[in-house]
Amino acid sequence: DIQMTQSPSTLSASVGDRVTITCRASQSISSWLAWYQQKPGITPKLLIYKASSLASGVPSKFSGSGSGTEFTLTISSLQPDDFATYYCQQYNSYSWTFGQGTKVEIK
Amino acid sequence: EVQLVESGGGLVKPGGSLRLSCAASEFTFSAFSMNWVRQAPGKGLEWVSSISGSGGYINYADSVKGRFTISRDNAKNSLHLQMNSLRAEDTAVYYCARGGGCSGGTCYSADYWGQGTLVTVSS
Repeated sequence: DIQMTQSPSTLSASVGDRVTITCRASQSISSWLAWYQQKPGITPKLLIYKASSLASGVPSKFSGSGSGTEFTLTISSLQPDDFATYYCQQYNSYSWTFGQGTKVEIK
Repeated sequence: EVQLVESGGGLVKPGGSLRLSCAASEFTFSAFSMNWVRQAPGKGLEWVSSISGSGGYINYADSVKGRFTISRDNAKNSLHLQMNSLRAEDTAVYYCARGGGCSGGTCYSADYWGQGTLVTVSS
């Protein structure tokens, strides 16, 4: 099974900061990597698919990069609405794996 | 707008059974793989099971293999999860999500999710 490891687990940042979250796969997944945002009590929302493609309606302040086993999600200028938990997910088969999540909180 | 609406959650005793359903609308249901993903209270997301559009390919997480059965009814645009031999650790919000599988060199992430249904396993 493919394991996904996110870092950091918690990230404290201020409004306006540029933040980066890293996700590492235990084996190559090509570019089949997605990022989701989840707020408490709300369904996860797709932000990025295929490592770097922005999902419909997602603002361009979110960007993704990477391939193979190393991936990053960057938020260019953190706004109050962006404080949430972010998950990476590999989807290169009918068996998915999620990272453990990164909680972005207000410093 | 794509809609996925889960139902069937509730309180069940350890060892009991429950059947979850997901009603899909506003897209060609049979053309898409579907999945169940769960989230225990205060924890992260865990993929549970996938089924291809035709129902011909099915996969399960090791944690539920042999206890849970995924199925779909393309005529009724519905997805199901039969959960048997439930354990306390199965307590979670269960989401249905569209996506999964690979075809023509493209793989598909979870682009739409339902609002979730809570399953609580407790005596």
